[in-house]
Amino acid sequence: EIVLTQSPGTLSLSPGDRATLSCRASQTVGSGFLAWYQHRPGQAPRLLIYGASRAAGVPDRFSSGGSGTDFTLTISRLEAEDFSTYFCQLFRGAPPPFGGGTKVEIK
Amino acid sequence: QVQLVQSGAEVKRPGASVRLSCKTSGYTFANYFLHWVRQAPGQGPEWMGMIDPSDATTTYAQNFEGRVSMTRDTSTATVSLELSSLKSEDTALYHCARGGGTAQFLLVYWGQGTLVTVSS
Repeated sequence: EIVLTQSPGTLSLSPGDRATLSCRASQTVGSGFLAWYQHRPGQAPRLLIYGASRAAGVPDRFSSGGSGTDFTLTISRLEAEDFSTYFCQLFRGAPPPFGGGTKVEIK
Repeated sequence: QVQLVQSGAEVKRPGASVRLSCKTSGYTFANYFLHWVRQAPGQGPEWMGMIDPSDATTTYAQNFEGRVSMTRDTSTATVSLELSSLKSEDTALYHCARGGGTAQFLLVYWGQGTLVTVSS
């Protein structure tokens, strides 16, 4: 079973900064099956990116990269609403593993 | 628009069972798998299983086999999760989420979550 490990656990940044979040898989996975979600407290999680595609309505400051076992979510310039928790997920089959999450907080 | 509206918070004693519901709207209920994902405090999300609303076929995560049941009601476009033999470790936020069609495990839409607290 594949394990996804996210780092760092917490990222302290300022509005306007660039955020780079990491998701590492315990074995090689296809980048086309990796998704990123945003979860704000009290709200439903939101699909941001799947493979190399942004979900509907997601701003282009969000992008993904990586291959093999190492993947990244990049937020080019943080806006106030981006301070949240993000988690990665492999959606290739059952059970779909999730990463432990990265919290992006205001520095 | 697609909506998944979950039932309210629950407080249960250890050993009890809990039943959560997730009412869907805004799309053809039978066409997309519904999943349940939980997130315990300080931990990442954990997939619990899924149901095919077209025929009620279920697939459960091994960790929950034997004490989880997922059902659907096509008349109300609602799916339910029942978890039995509750333990304190089951305290978590439980989400339903709709799959993405051909990408069954891509969770495109989520409910707002139901907080389940297990405490004596």
